[in-house]
Amino acid sequence: KAGVTQTPRYLIKTRGQQVTLSCSPISGHRSVSWYQQTPGQGLQFLFEYFSETQRNKGNFPGRFSGRQFSNSRSEMNVSTLELGDSALYLCASSRTGGSPDEQYFGPGTRLTVT
Amino acid sequence: TQLLEQSPQFLSIQEGENLTVYCNSSSVFSSLQWYRQEPGEGPVLLVTVVTGGEVKKLKRLTFQFGDARKDSSLHITAAQPGDTGLYLCAGFTGTASKLTFGTGTRLQVTL
Repeated sequence: KAGVTQTPRYLIKTRGQQVTLSCSPISGHRSVSWYQQTPGQGLQFLFEYFSETQRNKGNFPGRFSGRQFSNSRSEMNVSTLELGDSALYLCASSRTGGSPDEQYFGPGTRLTVT
Repeated sequence: TQLLEQSPQFLSIQEGENLTVYCNSSSVFSSLQWYRQEPGEGPVLLVTVVTGGEVKKLKRLTFQFGDARKDSSLHITAAQPGDTGLYLCAGFTGTASKLTFGTGTRLQVTL
């Protein structure tokens, strides 16, 4: 079956701009989680959506937001970009999202903020 | 705040050597997963452990979940260059659908 897809794969933005990233989960998966990966902080949880509802949120400022559509596809948005937002953004899909469900990751979107 | 500490951070060994990676926390996890990530790709799930004291083997990889479900280890026997990558442990706390990742161990296996 097709894996998790993320678009775009690479993105360069300027400070102050906003960006929207997209994630298409594996067919049949209703949970989508988003993570930020940086060399200094590692992989950090942003938020998780299940059936169009945000169930969990990590410790990120309100500039980071997301949503999920009825077909389980998800988008995350970052407004007023800062240099520190440069990172690899990963999404993962799973059937239910909770323990011990298997998480399947996409290849990520590499965001560079200049 | 990082709840899962991995050690060592970096490991460079030769083909054929054995190694162990540790994942420690002060928190109790309902389940713990191990992933491997290669450059330019997302993490790939290797194993999930659920029961305290559980041991799982995946070919040359052996995973153990601590009795108190606060720690885990990954042992690789006779490492091969194909084992090179970033190894990440990650845990679920309670029933929350939030996965907390460890700090990561970067492994390099050379010929």
